[in-house]
Amino acid sequence: SQTIHQWPATLVQPVGSPLSLECTVEGTSNPNLYWYRQAAGRGLQLLFYSVGIGQISSEVPQNLSASRPQDRQFILSSKKLLLSDSGFYLCAWTPIQRYAYEQYFGPGTRLTVT
Amino acid sequence: QKEVEQNSGPLSVPEGAIASLNCTYSDRGSQSFFWYRQYSGKSPELIMFIYSNGDKEDGRFTAQLNKASQYVSLLIRDSQPSDSATYLCAVKGGGSYIPTFGRGTSLIVHP
Repeated sequence: SQTIHQWPATLVQPVGSPLSLECTVEGTSNPNLYWYRQAAGRGLQLLFYSVGIGQISSEVPQNLSASRPQDRQFILSSKKLLLSDSGFYLCAWTPIQRYAYEQYFGPGTRLTVT
Repeated sequence: QKEVEQNSGPLSVPEGAIASLNCTYSDRGSQSFFWYRQYSGKSPELIMFIYSNGDKEDGRFTAQLNKASQYVSLLIRDSQPSDSATYLCAVKGGGSYIPTFGRGTSLIVHP
């Protein structure tokens, strides 16, 4: 069966510090991968998605970046965090072999920027 | 701009009742429809998906799709307090990798 991991689970970082969040998927190959952010009391905001190694599409211009160094690994980064970067960061994957292209979410990382 | 609309709620139902959650969407080209359950502080969990008109049943959950009316609903039979959560509707068009999510409906099932 497939499993998606995210770490860390929680993170408190000062403004201006760097960020690195990691997501890995097990039990599948060549998944589509996604990064979302959910701010308190708000909906899901798609940040990046990837259909293959090294292929990143950005949905929102901001101080975040993403990379996919391996087939089942997706990394979200920032060089300098802003207060507005606080939120619940969710990684998701899609089994592209499935017609519906349903998404499955990881457990998330709760980021607080102080 | 593709839109997915949900009543934010909260929808309050007594234990044992049927909870009915509704979602409308703007893109007539939409082909896949999803319902997620999100407990407070947790990530969304996929509970149903449907891509044909009509009903799809899975245990106490039934998804209903009406493409002509651009409407998808989720029925929860015999609601339990453990069903209390926010339910997110998501819609995806054909050939797209990206679903559009609604803001979610908060459901409260009281004993």
